[in-house]
Amino acid sequence: DVKVTQSSRYLVKRTGEKVFLECVQDMDHENMFWYRQDPGLGLRLIYFSYDVKMKEKGDIPEGYSVSREKKERFSLILESASTNQTSMYLCATCPIGQDAYEQYFGPGTRLTVT
Amino acid sequence: AQKITQTQPGMFVQEKEAVTLDCTYDTSDPSYGLFWYKQPSSGEMIFLIYQGSYDQQNATEGRYSLNFQKARKSANLVISASQLGDSAMYFCAMREVLSTQGGSEKLVFGKGTKLTVNP
Repeated sequence: DVKVTQSSRYLVKRTGEKVFLECVQDMDHENMFWYRQDPGLGLRLIYFSYDVKMKEKGDIPEGYSVSREKKERFSLILESASTNQTSMYLCATCPIGQDAYEQYFGPGTRLTVT
Repeated sequence: AQKITQTQPGMFVQEKEAVTLDCTYDTSDPSYGLFWYKQPSSGEMIFLIYQGSYDQQNATEGRYSLNFQKARKSANLVISASQLGDSAMYFCAMREVLSTQGGSEKLVFGKGTKLTVNP
């Protein structure tokens, strides 16, 4: 079974702090994604990566950065957390290929910025 | 840009009855894929079913089936014989392949429908 883990289920940070959210997968998938989920807005893509050290902006990258130094690990960084970044953050992975279509999600991190 | 629309913020169904969750999509790509995910209150996203644009038959997975009407650009999820454990958020999503990034892809999600199954 594919396993996608996220470093924390719940996180509380103060405004202005630097926040790291980590995602680790054990299935050697090329693609990794960070989504943000807010009530009434569904899931929105922040950043994704299709290879080590490669990253692409998603639909809402402002205020975020990412790092992928190893294939299995994809980190989301909030350089200076703000209250409007309070949200649920979901990591997902999938392999590249014609038959690979399902994205596998981690359990999510519920971040509160006070 | 691709777009997914789920017009039902909330739905209610009696246990053991069938329910249909609506999803319409918009894309100019001739080849695309549509997904349904379930998110219980615990937060994890659970893949339910997939339909490819060239698939001749509607996808089915146990109690889940996808009513795919290509001309109408709709991909409704049908849950038969609802169970209390089906109470959750349901998301429709579309796959967008990014050929310029080595076959990478992303999912575009709708806003979701909250299903409540009543005993």
